[in-house]
Amino acid sequence: DQQVKQNSPSLSVQEGRISILNCDYTNSMFDYFLWYKKYPAEGPTFLISISSIKDKNEDGRFTVFLNKSAKHLSLHIVPSQPGDSAVYFCAASADYKLSFGAGTTVTVRA
Amino acid sequence: KAGVTQTPRYLIKTRGQQVTLSCSPISGHRSVSWYQQTPGQGLQFLFEYFSETQRNKGNFPGRFSGRQFSNSRSEMNVSTLELGDSALYLCASASGLHQDNEQFFGPGTRLTVL
Repeated sequence: DQQVKQNSPSLSVQEGRISILNCDYTNSMFDYFLWYKKYPAEGPTFLISISSIKDKNEDGRFTVFLNKSAKHLSLHIVPSQPGDSAVYFCAASADYKLSFGAGTTVTVRA
Repeated sequence: KAGVTQTPRYLIKTRGQQVTLSCSPISGHRSVSWYQQTPGQGLQFLFEYFSETQRNKGNFPGRFSGRQFSNSRSEMNVSTLELGDSALYLCASASGLHQDNEQFFGPGTRLTVL
């Protein structure tokens, strides 16, 4: 049972434009949400997180938005850069257990 | 600070065999989690160990087991390997003291079952 879903397996965006990645979850017990970025042959690296008591968290070019009523979160990357090309995983935490989405492959075009 | 290390990086086994994977967390971290990554499935949680005790477990069969040693190093064992066990196995370490502690991932062990 996939409790965290990323419905877009891929996203292509032009350099300098905004990348928007979406994630939906079903478990209302999740209280912490994270985004990870993964390059081939490497483990995922932490990008940004948000607590369930907030609706927005910003860190440089990365902003995560949380809509608890819709059980939806999104990651905005502005402006997109070629180095942002990677697989992005959305994750949700409950009881020290992380549940991950299937990932979205982002390709930034020059 | 050294990162999370996993050994071996690559492994080829045949059906029916067993395998043991190792993970050394970041110094000072007491929590180690294991994940299986397969194409299209994202990362599936296997289990989490904190101070040598399994604190949480995912929905994997009993063929998948783990343990954690007093120095926080962890091993994962898969017995009676099946073709479907071919995957990238990732471990992640965290301080484990708070739910929102960031998890740091190792590079993974690529297991191929023939």
